Amino acid sequence: NAGVTQTPKFRVLKTGQSMTLLCAQDMNHEYMYWYRQDPGMGLRLIHYSVGEGTTAKGEVPDGYNVSRLKKQNFLLGLESAAPSQTSVYFCASSYSPSGTSGHQETQYFGPGTRLLVL
Amino acid sequence: AQSVTQLDSHVSVSEGTPVLLRCNYSSSYSPSLFWYVQHPNKGLQLLLKYTSAATLVKGINGFEAEFKKSETSFHLTKPSAHMSDAAEYFCVVSGKYNFNKFYFGSGTKLNVKP
Repeated sequence: NAGVTQTPKFRVLKTGQSMTLLCAQDMNHEYMYWYRQDPGMGLRLIHYSVGEGTTAKGEVPDGYNVSRLKKQNFLLGLESAAPSQTSVYFCASSYSPSGTSGHQETQYFGPGTRLLVL
Repeated sequence: AQSVTQLDSHVSVSEGTPVLLRCNYSSSYSPSLFWYVQHPNKGLQLLLKYTSAATLVKGINGFEAEFKKSETSFHLTKPSAHMSDAAEYFCVVSGKYNFNKFYFGSGTKLNVKP
């Protein structure tokens, strides 16, 4: 299994340009997530998906859009990049919470995408 | 509501000495708690997790953490640090049935001196 993969690994954009980050997982996980990581702030949730065709906003969704057309893929789009979106972006996936206990399952993370917006 | 506080942004230890990384959490419900490790320029890897079974949780690479409800803590420990342990560590909390809400601490960078 490749686990969680992300493309591209690194990208430089000019302000106002658009791009799409791709996340793919081969573990048949229902849930997928996009986070951004900034120094001293841990990871913050941008958007997430509980299944194919469904998405929801996380903590910092502004300026981003997502789509989950296939179970294994979760795309993060920046329509008009801004310098404030310079960050490292991580995708993660997990199974749904465990049965009747409701406890969260482990998240599996991709290697990250470094984005620099000039 | 859930939140997590990592009490130290940087910890420095000598190789072979114990490691203690502190984490306090706030949760309205029975929490799920995780510790992840991130090596430079890498993704996050699960070290261990607590989901209401044994309060002392053993993880990979000799790490363990103890869930203390009365202190709302989930500190990460290791008896003897190794150079390869140098990394950033994140404590994460999520509430029971709180679908898809994982709250990350701000991270603790562990430096291991030879």
